[in-house]
Amino acid sequence: DTGVSQDPRHKITKRGQNVTFRCDPISEHNRLYWYRQTLGQGPEFLTYFQNEAQLEKSRLLSDRFSAERPKGSFSTLEIQRTEQGDSAMYLCASSQPSPPGFQETQYFGPGTRLLVL
Amino acid sequence: DAKTTQPNSMESNEEEPVHLPCNHSTISGTDYIHWYRQLPSQGPEYVIHGLTSNVNNRMASLAIAEDRKSSTLILHRATLRDAAVYYCILTIPLSIQGAQKLVFGQGTRLTINP
Repeated sequence: DTGVSQDPRHKITKRGQNVTFRCDPISEHNRLYWYRQTLGQGPEFLTYFQNEAQLEKSRLLSDRFSAERPKGSFSTLEIQRTEQGDSAMYLCASSQPSPPGFQETQYFGPGTRLLVL
Repeated sequence: DAKTTQPNSMESNEEEPVHLPCNHSTISGTDYIHWYRQLPSQGPEYVIHGLTSNVNNRMASLAIAEDRKSSTLILHRATLRDAAVYYCILTIPLSIQGAQKLVFGQGTRLTINP
């Protein structure tokens, strides 16, 4: 399977604990995105990496959230001191640059579903 | 941010065509219209995109109004596997040329009856 993978698929934690999620993009893709999806809503953009550089962060990404992509391959998203409002599906997507005049396609992983008790 | 408006839900029968509407009255002249769908317990997947003229691919067709303020995703013969939430999306360019933030609305939940 050469698609985007995410680990774990499910995570249950207690309020106040730290959690870390991993995303492995499609191997030749140098762009990586994180989105968050709450129940009944569409995904919302969180952050974007071009290779190892984090180039865009949403206002949704509070100080408790940090994302890294250390070698421009896999990425991690850490949430410190989790709150019940952090309960959501965390989605990762990857893409590669498209030729001028063409639109990129983002390929999504299956997501990590987080439940904060 | 330019927004899209879709019906919350639609229902169709298997092997019949499905027309999923989307309004995007604040679209700018350079905005592409993208459609993604999300099957149960999966991440979104790309369906189709277009700018001005109608587009076809193996999954669907996209009909874009002449004023570009609305579009319709057409599934020519729906199957049970097409049951999903369909999102009509406008994008926002990010820092690097070509990188885009997908701006999802609530989408249309499509139910297919056997």
